[in-house]
Amino acid sequence: DQQVKQNSPSLSVQEGRISILNCDYTNSMFDYFLWYKKYPAEGPTFLISISSIKDKNEDGRFTVFLNKSAKHLSLHIVPSQPGDSAVYFCAATSLGGADGLTFGKGTHLIIQP
Amino acid sequence: NAGVTQTPKFQVLKTGQSMTLQCAQDMNHEYMSWYRQDPGMGLRLIHYSVGAGITDQGEVPNGYNVSRSTTEDFPLRLLSAAPSQTSVYFCASNLHQGDWNEQFFGPGTRLTVL
Repeated sequence: DQQVKQNSPSLSVQEGRISILNCDYTNSMFDYFLWYKKYPAEGPTFLISISSIKDKNEDGRFTVFLNKSAKHLSLHIVPSQPGDSAVYFCAATSLGGADGLTFGKGTHLIIQP
Repeated sequence: NAGVTQTPKFQVLKTGQSMTLQCAQDMNHEYMSWYRQDPGMGLRLIHYSVGAGITDQGEVPNGYNVSRSTTEDFPLRLLSAAPSQTSVYFCASNLHQGDWNEQFFGPGTRLTVL
């Protein structure tokens, strides 16, 4: 059973608008969440993270929101730029645990000019 | 720093062949891991290591062996390749387990098993 779900395989957004990528999780032991960005033929790169003690974290154009009661997080990109076109992975972990990251399937974000 | 390097970039194997995917990092990171990514799937953890001489299984370890004789290197071995192992393999490293914000991924190895 998938513990981290990204239900939108792709998302198309106009340049300059807001991109919202969603992620749901089922494991209540997860307490740390990350977003990664991946370009074709490259490895994923870390984008932004959030701890379960927070409900929002901002870094420039990127903001991650966490709703613990709904087990839902979202990544907002404002404004969207052409270079943001990539696959975005949501990942989760338990900081006190021994395992690594559990990833969602990814959302392919396409920024239209 | 070269970061995390992986060789080869591409490989085609026949069923039953063996091979080793190489991974090296020059950042003196203690924690290293191997993931596989299949079409339409997220990355899944195969094996990880918290330091030289210590390895452990991840979510999908069957068919793969690892060893960690040095801090720098973390090779992944396929002893008898199967078509189900066709995938893109990513190696990653971070200074310590839990330093997820500072986890660096290699560029990947695309493996096809015929």
